[in-house]
Amino acid sequence: DIQMTQSPASLSASVGDRVTITCRASQSIDNYLNWYQQKPGRAPKVLIYAASTLQSGVPSRFSGAGSGTDFTLTISSLQPEDFATYFCQQSYRTPRTFGPGTTVDIK
Amino acid sequence: QLQLVQSGAAVKKPGASVKVSCKASGYTSSSSHIEWVRQAPGQGLEWLAVINPSTGSTRFAPELQGRVTMTSDTSTSTVYMELSSLRSEDTAVYYCARRDEYYSNYNYYYYMDVWGTGTTVTVSS
Repeated sequence: DIQMTQSPASLSASVGDRVTITCRASQSIDNYLNWYQQKPGRAPKVLIYAASTLQSGVPSRFSGAGSGTDFTLTISSLQPEDFATYFCQQSYRTPRTFGPGTTVDIK
Repeated sequence: QLQLVQSGAAVKKPGASVKVSCKASGYTSSSSHIEWVRQAPGQGLEWLAVINPSTGSTRFAPELQGRVTMTSDTSTSTVYMELSSLRSEDTAVYYCARRDEYYSNYNYYYYMDVWGTGTTVTVSS
């Protein structure tokens, strides 16, 4: 299986901050990388697929980058509704493993 | 609108089986694969399986092999996942999700764009 790691595990930030989350794969996955946002008690929501393609309806303050083994999710200006947990997922092969998640909370 | 409605919560004893349903509406369900993901209490997301509803072909996470069965009923746009020999570690919220695909540069990229309502499965003696 392809192992996914994320850093940091959690971070505290303020509204308006620029936030970057890192995801790393245990082997090259080209750009087969998705990002999801999950709020407590809710199902995840896809933000980005193919490493950098923004899902329809997702605000442009979210962006994704990377290829191979190293990827980033950036929120350019954190908004109150962005406090949540973010997961990366590789879609290179099954099982389509997830990273452990990064929780973004209010400083 | 597009939605996936799952069956209600279940409480099972160790060793028993559970069958979770996922009913699609708002789109042609046979045209999209359905993936299953679970989340244990306070934990992250774990990918479990995928099914092509129109052909019934499936792929599973290795750790579930032999314990999971997935079926589809295209007449009711419903997919079922049955997990047997339940143990306490199977306690989780189980989600189904529609797999969407993006084609670019001769490659297909898969992601889950519509998620089900979630089914809480509790395994306890």
